[in-house]
Amino acid sequence: SQQGEEDPQALSIQEGENATMNCSYKTSINNLQWYRQNSGRGLVHLILIRSNEREKHSGRLRVTLDTSKKSSSLLITASRAADTASYFCATDTGTASKLTFGTGTRLQVTL
Amino acid sequence: EADIYQTPRYLVIGTGKKITLECSQTMGHDKMYWYQQDPGMELHLIHYSYGVNSTEKGDLSSESTVSRIRTEHFPLTLESARPSHTSQYLCATMLSEGYTFGSGTRLTVV
Repeated sequence: SQQGEEDPQALSIQEGENATMNCSYKTSINNLQWYRQNSGRGLVHLILIRSNEREKHSGRLRVTLDTSKKSSSLLITASRAADTASYFCATDTGTASKLTFGTGTRLQVTL
Repeated sequence: EADIYQTPRYLVIGTGKKITLECSQTMGHDKMYWYQQDPGMELHLIHYSYGVNSTEKGDLSSESTVSRIRTEHFPLTLESARPSHTSQYLCATMLSEGYTFGSGTRLTVV
């Protein structure tokens, strides 16, 4: 069964708007990571948040983690057309450093 | 930052053929992973390795096999390809703050 599920499945916004994606998971984690995938190619690591952290920033990215609700959110501020991609959350439960990926959110940013 | 390379990028092959997907990395990292991803879907771990001579099956059952004779290489082999093996195969190595992925091999078995 899936460890992570994301919503929405797809999101379409205009350039300059903010995009928020949510991820829910089922078991305790060591950390949670977010990745971007362009056009079905390899994934690019965006940000990692540890289980003892509640919020983290990196450039236009803001990630929150609520371990009591087993959920995380990724906020992309002032979106650009180049942000168009699929975004995946991934959880590390500490078992062999294996990551379990969520179902992904497809983000479309239009001009 | 690790460099990780996968070849071929695309492969179309007939049913019953034996294939090997190559994955190599240049940074000497011990932990490497193979994921399978159908179009628009999530990634599923099929194999991983902690280092030379270490290989383990992942969460998704796969008919493929892997080997880790050298740190740099983590090839994946299908002895007899079938249409059900059509998918994208992604190789990754682990850094301290997350995975670095190769560009993937998109396999089509006809």
